[in-house]
Amino acid sequence: GAGVSQSPRYKVAKRGQDVALRCDPISGHVSLFWYQQALGQGPEFLTYFQNEAQLDKSGLPSDRFFAERPEGSVSTLKIQRTQQEDSAVYLCASSLGPRGEAFFGQGTRLTVV
Amino acid sequence: AQSVTQLDSQVPVFEEAPVELRCNYSSSVSVYLFWYVQYPNQGLQLLLKYLSGSTLVKGINGFEAEFNKSQTSFHLRKPSVHISDTAEYFCAVIPSRDDKIIFGKGTRLHILP
Repeated sequence: GAGVSQSPRYKVAKRGQDVALRCDPISGHVSLFWYQQALGQGPEFLTYFQNEAQLDKSGLPSDRFFAERPEGSVSTLKIQRTQQEDSAVYLCASSLGPRGEAFFGQGTRLTVV
Repeated sequence: AQSVTQLDSQVPVFEEAPVELRCNYSSSVSVYLFWYVQYPNQGLQLLLKYLSGSTLVKGINGFEAEFNKSQTSFHLRKPSVHISDTAEYFCAVIPSRDDKIIFGKGTRLHILP
């Protein structure tokens, strides 16, 4: 595609509900990143894939957060049993390779009520 | 561990005046340096990057930044701002031998008419 596409753009979840956020990277991009951006803050790293391999998940805040990229293209970030503190914009980015220019999607704004 | 500090959370400046947005980083290894811009309701967009070579780098929309290794700084400048520059600006680093981007908290640029 022309850019990184994320869906849904907005998600309201009741506390305790599971959610799944989707990222379609730019075709051919090897590297894929997930970031969490709280209101008024900079993006915080969550996890990183190179193709289908999850090379770094050190930023995932708890075991309720899980990410996958099974075929090395589309990625899904899943949050189980959502809590209010999970409310944030979740950003996905892709790049041709390590340390290449990262292209960001518009993000998914998650609000947990 | 690496960190990025943006000293100003907000910077007001009159239209057509010059602006400098400050960024300092801390790292035990060499880093690659970036500035990203986030326009209202849009995704992050790369403004410019320093990988190696000349310490003065030019980016899009008339912005430039200078890498100062001794001061561990990478300040962003523009000689004359326009109302369309209203946005949030994020300084970021990628440590060498790593792939994830580490962001600062951002600086909101307010252009005053």
